[in-house]
Amino acid sequence: KNQVEQSPQSLIILEGKNCTLQCNYTVSPFSNLRWYKQDTGRGPVSLTIMTFSENTKSNGRYTATLDADTKQSSLHITASQLSDSASYICVVEGSSNTGKLIFGQGTTLQVKP
Amino acid sequence: DVKVTQSSRYLVKRTGEKVFLECVQDMDHENMFWYRQDPGLGLRLIYFSYDVKMKEKGDIPEGYSVSREKKERFSLILESASTNQTSMYLCASRQGAFNEQFFGPGTRLTVL
Repeated sequence: KNQVEQSPQSLIILEGKNCTLQCNYTVSPFSNLRWYKQDTGRGPVSLTIMTFSENTKSNGRYTATLDADTKQSSLHITASQLSDSASYICVVEGSSNTGKLIFGQGTTLQVKP
Repeated sequence: DVKVTQSSRYLVKRTGEKVFLECVQDMDHENMFWYRQDPGLGLRLIYFSYDVKMKEKGDIPEGYSVSREKKERFSLILESASTNQTSMYLCASRQGAFNEQFFGPGTRLTVL
């Protein structure tokens, strides 16, 4: 069964600290993996998209890594800010022509001053 | 910038009412999607559409229908709203498979 599992479910860190969110998937065949940020009460916004040939991609203070062999991805946030408080959703797309997206349940990050 | 708009941010309806949720995108995208998002369950696909007048069932289509008469507009219809349809509804669009998917701001629907 195609699944995307994220950990931890929630996380609290102090402003300025770094953190890493994890994503494991069983989707096969694999096309790409995306990380989205969703602020409370808003729609998700894309942070990164990686295909199987890419193993790292950055977007400002956000760096995503992908290990297609172990089917694991991580999202590293550097020097966290209060505005990083949000849910982070890992999404995997299969390579069939329907391009169906499989969503993880998300990690809720709270950055405290 | 791609813009996906939804007709309402918040909506309160009564059990048994017919409910219309509208979504409009301005980038001539072929594909449009309706999801619902519930705590602990993540986003679940209700229906999607590859083109005008085409629709496909997603993972949880029961109790919903959709309409796509124009390329830019995708409507979600709750024929007879029930309390278990209280949720956040998110619309999304993209040009085609493997392309970035853009989400609307969401509609929080409460069914009393």
